[in-house]
Amino acid sequence: DTAVSQTPKYLVTQMGNDKSIKCEQNLGHDTMYWYKQDSKKFLKIMFSYNNKELIINETVPNRFSPKSPDKAHLNLHINSLELGDSAVYFCASSLAGVNEQFFGPGTRLTVL
Amino acid sequence: ELKVEQNPLFLSMQEGKNYTIYCNYSTTSDRLYWYRQDPGKSLESLFVLLSNGAVKQEGRLMASLDTKARLSTLHITAAVHDLSATYFCAGIDTGTASKLTFGTGTRLQVTL
Repeated sequence: DTAVSQTPKYLVTQMGNDKSIKCEQNLGHDTMYWYKQDSKKFLKIMFSYNNKELIINETVPNRFSPKSPDKAHLNLHINSLELGDSAVYFCASSLAGVNEQFFGPGTRLTVL
Repeated sequence: ELKVEQNPLFLSMQEGKNYTIYCNYSTTSDRLYWYRQDPGKSLESLFVLLSNGAVKQEGRLMASLDTKARLSTLHITAAVHDLSATYFCAGIDTGTASKLTFGTGTRLQVTL
């Protein structure tokens, strides 16, 4: 059984388009995260939700909008995609915020 | 704001050799994590270090934490090819609850 799942795994799209990435966890965790990994493998947190409430919102363009319909799901919507948005986006989850974070398989976004 | 630095960035070592990866962090961190990432894959949690002097071992990997020196190490004993991967350390800034700050990663290549 997959613990943290993301869809799609790959996403190739044109500049200016709008796209969404979905994340679901079945671990019973209450905190979920989005991370961006760039081409140099550097990982940086973007957002975090605890029980559907936004608790971390890093300096991310407002074209990126997370949504958490319930504590098992965290989606990421990106408007007006730019070349620089090309990266791997990882979803993660944890219990109570400070414990070990478990990562999803990642979504490789390529903007052409 | 917590900053995490790893060195070396790249490590090529022969099978059977020992080596240590270093992780320095800039301010107090509640805990320290080590993750492994294989090419094109997700992040796999290796160790969670919770307090000063913590030492954890799994197979040929041993991680330790010195909070006074703000240093964690990942020691590799008698390396084997299967250990080839990128290793990340990450800390949580005290007071930020869930914000995980990653180091730059160390790409380990174990040659025959």
